[in-house]
Amino acid sequence: KAGVTQTPRYLIKTRGQQVTLSCSPISGHRSVSWYQQTPGQGLQFLFEYFSETQRNKGNFPGRFSGRQFSNSRSEMNVSTLELGDSALYLCASSRDGGLGNEQYFGPGTRLTVT
Amino acid sequence: AQSVTQLDSQVPVFEEAPVELRCNYSSSVSVYLFWYVQYPNQGLQLLLKYLSGSTLVKGINGFEAEFNKSQTSFHLRKPSVHISDTAEYFCAVIIRGAGGTSYGKLTFGQGTILTVHP
Repeated sequence: KAGVTQTPRYLIKTRGQQVTLSCSPISGHRSVSWYQQTPGQGLQFLFEYFSETQRNKGNFPGRFSGRQFSNSRSEMNVSTLELGDSALYLCASSRDGGLGNEQYFGPGTRLTVT
Repeated sequence: AQSVTQLDSQVPVFEEAPVELRCNYSSSVSVYLFWYVQYPNQGLQLLLKYLSGSTLVKGINGFEAEFNKSQTSFHLRKPSVHISDTAEYFCAVIIRGAGGTSYGKLTFGQGTILTVHP
């Protein structure tokens, strides 16, 4: 079974631009969670989607948004990029996002904002 | 607020020596507990998880962890490490019974970098 895939793997953007990251979950998984990983803040939860609905959201500004499609693929968007948005963005899929479900992580998208 | 504390940011150890990576969580509710490993330039891989039952949990690659409710700890151990175990290790929790605020939300510790020397 193919794992979680994320595209692109690397991105360089300029302050003020916007960016869209994509995540394809494991076949049959309906829940997708997104995390931001930085050296200073560590791993922080952004949001979770299930059946095209955002069920949970972390403490990030409204510039961070996401969506999920009917095939469970998910995208996240960051508008008006700031230098502090430079990070590794990880997505994870699970069967249904239930509390005991194992989350399978993708390799991440490394975003650099200059 | 839920928090996870990994007591050591870096742990150096020699090959074939035992290792323990420490994790404590603070919570007034029940939690599910996880350990993940991250190799350079990769995503996270689940090593083991505790949901309920036996407090000693065995995972992949020879790792095990023990859930101690009274100490609110979930320390990760391996009796004999290999060079290939060099990586960053993360302890994480999900709060049980918190309804919608817990869906898909892992709360991570700051990570422990394990370096195995020959």
